[in-house]
Amino acid sequence: QSVLTQPPSASGTPGQRVTISCSGSSSNIGSNTVNWYQHLPGTAPKLLIYNNNQRPSGFPDRFSGYKSGTSASLAISGLQSEDEADYYCSAWDDSLNGWVFGGGTKLTVL
Amino acid sequence: QVQLVQSGTEVKKPGASVRVSCRASGYTFSDYAISWVRQAPGQGLEWMGWISGDTGKTDFVQKLQGRVSVATDTSTGTAYMELRNLRSDDTAVYYCARGSIVASFGAFDIWGQGTMVTVSS
Repeated sequence: QSVLTQPPSASGTPGQRVTISCSGSSSNIGSNTVNWYQHLPGTAPKLLIYNNNQRPSGFPDRFSGYKSGTSASLAISGLQSEDEADYYCSAWDDSLNGWVFGGGTKLTVL
Repeated sequence: QVQLVQSGTEVKKPGASVRVSCRASGYTFSDYAISWVRQAPGQGLEWMGWISGDTGKTDFVQKLQGRVSVATDTSTGTAYMELRNLRSDDTAVYYCARGSIVASFGAFDIWGQGTMVTVSS
């Protein structure tokens, strides 16, 4: 049971816009910034979004992050086949004094 | 090139210990912390704990306290994670990841390639 709650799966067709939600609490998302990671099977996770809505170099602006209250979301516009991956949200938890992750969302491009 | 390179696959018996190394290059090791994250088969990512690259301060999730330790060799820029009294549910891919020197800030911007640890009798 993950501290942050994500839907286990999401899907879309090429060119569509999809969003992935991440729900937390006042001790994590409510009081700290949210990061998102993209994970392709067999490879190392990659930092996709940091500080709620900042993108590292290397990821296009098709990827965007949002945070409001104790929830966050990742939006992917202009969906492409190479976006098919697992996506994880993460935040520091003040009560647990550690980093927590969502359970991950498997994105399928139909 | 900033990178973290981990040691290779391990197969251990229940009750044994495993040590995974993570060698950093391309940046000043003491300017960052190293976190350890694992992923069991079919499961999500789980943060295990971290070590500061400068002070050596550590912290771990409660469920692993007493079984896990981490250390650094600043002369080589290498972090080590040891997990003791292994159980079958410790079977996972173990990742090291670079994070902020202030544990609660920032993000994991560089990840090692992962080390598969299999615990089986």
